[in-house]
Amino acid sequence: SAVISQKPSRDICQRGTSLTIQCQVDSQVTMMFWYRQQPGQSLTLIATANQGSEATYESGFVIDKFPISRPNLTFSTLTVSNMSPEDSSIYLCSVVGGGLAGYTDTQYFGPGTRLTVL
Amino acid sequence: GNSVTQMEGPVTLSEEAFLTINCTYTATGYPSLFWYVQYPGEGLQLLLKATKADDKGSNKGFEATYRKETTSFHLEKGSVQVSDSAVYFCALSDGGSNYKLTFGKGTLLTVNP
Repeated sequence: SAVISQKPSRDICQRGTSLTIQCQVDSQVTMMFWYRQQPGQSLTLIATANQGSEATYESGFVIDKFPISRPNLTFSTLTVSNMSPEDSSIYLCSVVGGGLAGYTDTQYFGPGTRLTVL
Repeated sequence: GNSVTQMEGPVTLSEEAFLTINCTYTATGYPSLFWYVQYPGEGLQLLLKATKADDKGSNKGFEATYRKETTSFHLEKGSVQVSDSAVYFCALSDGGSNYKLTFGKGTLLTVNP
């Protein structure tokens, strides 16, 4: 499986500011995703990060609030903009496919970024 | 649309007890089914998966069988350990080219010595 890292692992931010989270994979992957896990809740897909083009957002999530970049097949960023306390969550990236292991439909997750907004 | 219904928690067991966490799904086509585990303070780890009917996924003593006739993928372990304490998520991927995962709400398992 791919080795996935996220930066930062956690942060405490002030209301109205923005935070950019990085996701790095050790091999080229077909797809990358960003999820949100609110306290005590399950995971909700925010968007699919598309290499070289705009991300595909799920219902309820918009680019102005969660801009996403994916400049290549191993790296993506998620920005949480104009934060409020309701944005306090764990943000996780995940990847599918590619790599020396060959084609697979299994998603592997990064360790997550724990965000607290005051 | 797709959906996953998981047994509500929390579940509290004594060490060496038998574990079952129920999971049923609704999906079109032929989904792949997964169990993920989240240990305290950590991200999600893939526990096991099954990609077609009657497949059995297994890992670390956990098992789950893909039952198309009952649209279920129940997680079982014969003898739990304290180290199994975690949140368990059932999920499905609809097998299309988008690979999106639909998650259940998660079940918190606590195993006491």
